[in-house]
Amino acid sequence: GESVGLHLPTLSVQEGDNSIINCAYSNSASDYFIWYKQESGKGPQFIIDIRSNMDKRQGQRVTVLLNKTVKHLSLQIAATQPGDSAVYFCAENYGGSQGNLIFGKGTKLSVKP
Amino acid sequence: KAGVTQTPRYLIKTRGQQVTLSCSPISGHRSVSWYQQTPGQGLQFLFEYFSETQRNKGNFPGRFSGRQFSNSRSEMNVSTLELGDSALYLCASSRQANTGELFFGEGSRLTVL
Repeated sequence: GESVGLHLPTLSVQEGDNSIINCAYSNSASDYFIWYKQESGKGPQFIIDIRSNMDKRQGQRVTVLLNKTVKHLSLQIAATQPGDSAVYFCAENYGGSQGNLIFGKGTKLSVKP
Repeated sequence: KAGVTQTPRYLIKTRGQQVTLSCSPISGHRSVSWYQQTPGQGLQFLFEYFSETQRNKGNFPGRFSGRQFSNSRSEMNVSTLELGDSALYLCASSRQANTGELFFGEGSRLTVL
């Protein structure tokens, strides 16, 4: 069936280090992928997205990599800061409709000062 | 620019009751979607509205319903509440439909006793 999962449910990193959050997806028809960040007590916040015709996309301190061969998505955060502590969700979308936005279970990132 | 506003933020109901949750999207955003978030199931899509029309509906029973008004504000209703309906209900808006870049509110936390 369709699923979006995460390899690591929790990730602890030292402040200043780089973080890598991984995500697997199973629907080969998915053509759009998004990463969201959710801080405690808040709603998810859009971080970055990537379409299936791209392998890599960079934002401010974040990079998303897409490997369609193995159906794998990753979010890299450079120079991780305490403010990056949150739960990170990947989501996949096919057909372009929000109705097909499937979220993963989430990875909790904890940044140690 | 004000973000997505959801009311009420917290509410407690008993089984069998019904509840109405409200969402005011970001000004200019015409698409509103609703998600249910629970520890066990994560984020699950409920509905998507665009210009007062329901465009998509998730896999939830008919007890869950929603609507969107001409000013893009949206409400969702859950009738005959069950214990399993306890969750954080998140509303998200976007400027247009068919985009994964959603702007989420902080949610309405519903507890069913």
